[in-house]
Amino acid sequence: NAGVTQTPKFQVLKTGQSMTLQCAQDMNHEYMSWYRQDPGMGLRLIHYSVGAGITDQGEVPNGYNVSRSTTEDFPLRLLSAAPSQTSVYFCASSVTGTGTVNEQFFGPGTRLTVL
Amino acid sequence: GNSVTQMEGPVTLSEEAFLTINCTYTATGYPSLFWYVQYPGEGLQLLLKATKADDKGSNKGFEATYRKETTSFHLEKGSVQVSDSAVYFCALNYGGSQGNLIFGKGTKLSVKP
Repeated sequence: NAGVTQTPKFQVLKTGQSMTLQCAQDMNHEYMSWYRQDPGMGLRLIHYSVGAGITDQGEVPNGYNVSRSTTEDFPLRLLSAAPSQTSVYFCASSVTGTGTVNEQFFGPGTRLTVL
Repeated sequence: GNSVTQMEGPVTLSEEAFLTINCTYTATGYPSLFWYVQYPGEGLQLLLKATKADDKGSNKGFEATYRKETTSFHLEKGSVQVSDSAVYFCALNYGGSQGNLIFGKGTKLSVKP
């Protein structure tokens, strides 16, 4: 199993550009999520999904869109990049369901710089 | 609301020293508690977990006990190594259909030889 994979590893954008951060998992996990990590802030939840066709907002959703057309993939779209979106982005996945502990598995991250 | 508070870092220790990183939480009900570790340039890895009061999670010489009476989940290791240098995150979530993790801000540990 590859686990959770993310592409690209690094990206530089100009203000106003759009892009999609890719995330895929091969563990058949229903739950997937996106976090951003900023110095001194820990990890903050952007969006999450509990299954194909179902998404919801987390703590800091503004400026980001997600969709979940398959169980495996959960892309994160930046519609019009802003310098405040400079961050490291992590995707994670886990099982869900009654009685589960929901241990999350994280991807290696995407480091995004917006100029 | 639910929250996790960790001791401020950075923490610098000499090799073989004793480590404690404090973590307290505010939550309703009975969340599961986790410690994640992030090595330089990498993603987060689960270090240990505990799912109910008085449970002790352990891994790689690290331990943490779920204390409901003090709402704490402090991380300890008896003898740290240089290879333990990393950022440590305390987190909680609820099981079942809700998997969202709530993280503390992280504590950076540096171990000197």
